[in-house]
Amino acid sequence: QQQVKQSPQSLIVQKGGIPIINCAYENTAFDYFPWYQQFPGKGPALLIAIRPDVSEKKEGRFTISFNKSAKQFSLHIMDSQPGDSATYFCAASKETSGSRLTFGEGTQLTVNP
Amino acid sequence: EPEVTQTPSHQVTQMGQEVILRCVPISNHLYFYWYRQILGQKVEFLVSFYNNEISEKSEIFDDQFSVERPDGSNFTLKIRSTKLEDSAMYFCASSGFSGLNEAFFGQGTRLTVV
Repeated sequence: QQQVKQSPQSLIVQKGGIPIINCAYENTAFDYFPWYQQFPGKGPALLIAIRPDVSEKKEGRFTISFNKSAKQFSLHIMDSQPGDSATYFCAASKETSGSRLTFGEGTQLTVNP
Repeated sequence: EPEVTQTPSHQVTQMGQEVILRCVPISNHLYFYWYRQILGQKVEFLVSFYNNEISEKSEIFDDQFSVERPDGSNFTLKIRSTKLEDSAMYFCASSGFSGLNEAFFGQGTRLTVV
């Protein structure tokens, strides 16, 4: 019940395209859903996060859509750029400070010029 | 911008040896974590630490692992007797006490057990 499932495993888009990465969770106690971006050899960097009291959150070119009833959330990257090529991880946790993050399997995104 | 720093960036050790991975969390943060990532796999939680004690640990964090905050700035992960399967990237993270659970990760230590 702690799992977070992420798809697709890899994704290739052309510059300007809108890659969409999907995640699903099981544990209804989760109430904080961040996305992390990871470049090779680096640590995960917090990109954007959402709480279940809203259905969408936008920060710059990154948008999270959240469907509480389906227990699903997704990341959309508008006007994708080659510099966005990285591995993206969704995660889930309780919102309480200090709670562990449960990560999805990751999506390797390639944005071609 | 404040960041989590980890040392060393890469450590090679022989099976059965003890290793200590070091981290300096963001200075005003109160919660500290260790995660690991086996090559090509997802990031997995190991342990969280608050107020000088373990607050939560995963099934991975067995008796071979220990954590310590020896002074006001460092946070360490010790693996007592390394196994081949301990080879992974180990990430330290920290978060504040703002009511949010925003965890910031270090660059990681690549541990190779030979």
